[in-house]
Amino acid sequence: GQNIDQPTEMTATEGAIVQINCTYQTSGFNGLFWYQQHAGEAPTFLSYNVLDGLEEKGRFSSFLSRSKGYSYLLLKELQMKDSASYLCAVRSNYGQNFVFGPGTRLSVLP
Amino acid sequence: GAGVSQSPSNKVTEKGKDVELRCDPISGHTALYWYRQSLGQGLEFLIYFQGNSAPDKSGLPSDRFSAERTGGSVSTLTIQRTQQEDSAVYLCASSLSRGQETQYFGPGTRLLVL
Repeated sequence: GQNIDQPTEMTATEGAIVQINCTYQTSGFNGLFWYQQHAGEAPTFLSYNVLDGLEEKGRFSSFLSRSKGYSYLLLKELQMKDSASYLCAVRSNYGQNFVFGPGTRLSVLP
Repeated sequence: GAGVSQSPSNKVTEKGKDVELRCDPISGHTALYWYRQSLGQGLEFLIYFQGNSAPDKSGLPSDRFSAERTGGSVSTLTIQRTQQEDSAVYLCASSLSRGQETQYFGPGTRLLVL
């Protein structure tokens, strides 16, 4: 079966660092994606990992371990505008099916 | 440039009626996806189109749901005999090609079935 797990909610303080974890069990693997979704808006692409290791993009970094079925999104120097849901998605080898996790709702407090 | 557009932005219908949702992908994008997102939930994959290939319909929840893509561009998702559990936000996304990692999402259509 296909299963992706993320924490439901997280809270952090402005200026801090937060790590959002994602574990997955899918039939095949062809890339892991992180999206940001503000309330009432469409998801926007943040990062993509297909090989093990860390991908850094400004304040955001994403890590992947394929052997462990594990990824995390690291957000540094948190800002109030980072309050949003963060969606982990895996593209399996079966067609181009993207399987999305339930999302982690992050609240950044002053 | 223009992004993915969807219409209508909101749709209220009565149980049992049919609805059509439209998606205009980014020009030149050959891959098009439909997803459904219920309140507070993650995205549920519905269907995927890639160029002229047969669509991947593995995510469609029942035979009341169907989608087509005319001329490799605009797509229409049709829900027949709507049920209250069909109420959700229907999101469309497009990407350049099968290997392109970035999907661009439209603003979605909020469907409410009374």
